[in-house]
Amino acid sequence: DARVTQTPRHKVTEMGQEVTMRCQPILGHNTVFWYRQTMMQGLELLAYFRNRAPLDDSGMPKDRFSAEMPDATLATLKIQPSEPRDSAVYFCASGPSWDEQYFGPGTRLTVT
Amino acid sequence: QKEVEQNSGPLSVPEGAIASLNCTYSDRGSQSFFWYRQYSGKSPELIMSIYSNGDKEDGRFTAQLNKASQYVSLLIRDSQPSDSATYLCAVSYGNNRLAFGKGNQVVVIP
Repeated sequence: DARVTQTPRHKVTEMGQEVTMRCQPILGHNTVFWYRQTMMQGLELLAYFRNRAPLDDSGMPKDRFSAEMPDATLATLKIQPSEPRDSAVYFCASGPSWDEQYFGPGTRLTVT
Repeated sequence: QKEVEQNSGPLSVPEGAIASLNCTYSDRGSQSFFWYRQYSGKSPELIMSIYSNGDKEDGRFTAQLNKASQYVSLLIRDSQPSDSATYLCAVSYGNNRLAFGKGNQVVVIP
């Protein structure tokens, strides 16, 4: 049963530190999304890739967030420097098309 | 700003009853609509998609879409304790992106 994997599952870090989250999409899926979920804002789109090319990163704070797909098996989301307001659950999702998204288990980030 | 509203508070339904969830959206150009289920502490899971006005049935789930009134609903028939979860409405906008509502919690009481 193919699944999206994300590492780490939990991360606690201090304000100002760099955070890197990784995602392995399901093999063969050509669309990859990064989302952030908080109680206040709900689920928000951060970045969207198709065939490894970034299509939209308008949801990300550009000065501190960056998203890349160095190859088809790895997507990364980096925050540098991290801030307490970045505390959230970050989900990666992949799909054979944009309208069929399979979510990973998420990375729960706490910035103190 | 693409808005997806799910205004109802937690919904408690007896086992075997029908749970009804509603969602309204702001973008008249939206063409695709989805319902995701999210168990506590887990990730969202796609359960229904609907693209045309009317009803779409899949097992115990029925999605209803009315583009003129800009709302989409989800009915869960014969509710089971395993249906207890938060249900997220998602609406397409722009170039194949999704905007999510904040969700409705459903509690099925045995």
